[in-house]
Amino acid sequence: DTGVSQDPRHKITKRGQNVTFRCDPISEHNRLYWYRQTLGQGPEFLTYFQNEAQLEKSRLLSDRFSAERPKGSFSTLEIQRTEQGDSAMYLCASSPPGGIFTDTQYFGPGTRLTVL
Amino acid sequence: ILNVEQSPQSLHVQEGDSTNFTCSFPSSNFYALHWYRWETAKSPEALFVMTLNGDEKKKGQISATLNTKEGYSYLYIKGSQPEDSATYLCASPNTGNQFYFGTGTSLTVIP
Repeated sequence: DTGVSQDPRHKITKRGQNVTFRCDPISEHNRLYWYRQTLGQGPEFLTYFQNEAQLEKSRLLSDRFSAERPKGSFSTLEIQRTEQGDSAMYLCASSPPGGIFTDTQYFGPGTRLTVL
Repeated sequence: ILNVEQSPQSLHVQEGDSTNFTCSFPSSNFYALHWYRWETAKSPEALFVMTLNGDEKKKGQISATLNTKEGYSYLYIKGSQPEDSATYLCASPNTGNQFYFGTGTSLTVIP
């Protein structure tokens, strides 16, 4: 069990640039979640996949944010035209098949984004 | 949107002390309550998943209780150790399986 991995771990970009993050879930996990965490706050839900289907998307996820999970394996989160307010830790989590509300989420180490 | 709140925001205790913190959540349309521990420079780690009113769960010196009627959960740590220093998060999902986290309780155990 290699755990959830995220790449890159840190990203510094200039305002207006596009960035893409990758998450590789635990191999047998069919659910995958993306969260954003800013200083002093808990993780905020962004979106959720079951296999390749994106089932839920937060209103926090503006038109500049998009996520994909082709073939139900790894997932990418893209932010277009980054703004300074996008600076945050982006966390990915995966969970195994089971009861949807009670599934334990296994978190990756996160990608810390800094927008200058 | 679910309003999940945690208190206190931070806590400093001496090694060996017992401590507890609170997570409050809407009691209507309740599905589950999750507790996580997040140590600095590590990933959040699941502690408990609780669903039934009156549930009590225990893992080592850490335990949790759940009251779904009044919308709160307590996390207890008996005999705190420095390695218990972390941020403790609770989260609850809505109907669409969107998880709402509290802001966390930051625990520092002083040796």
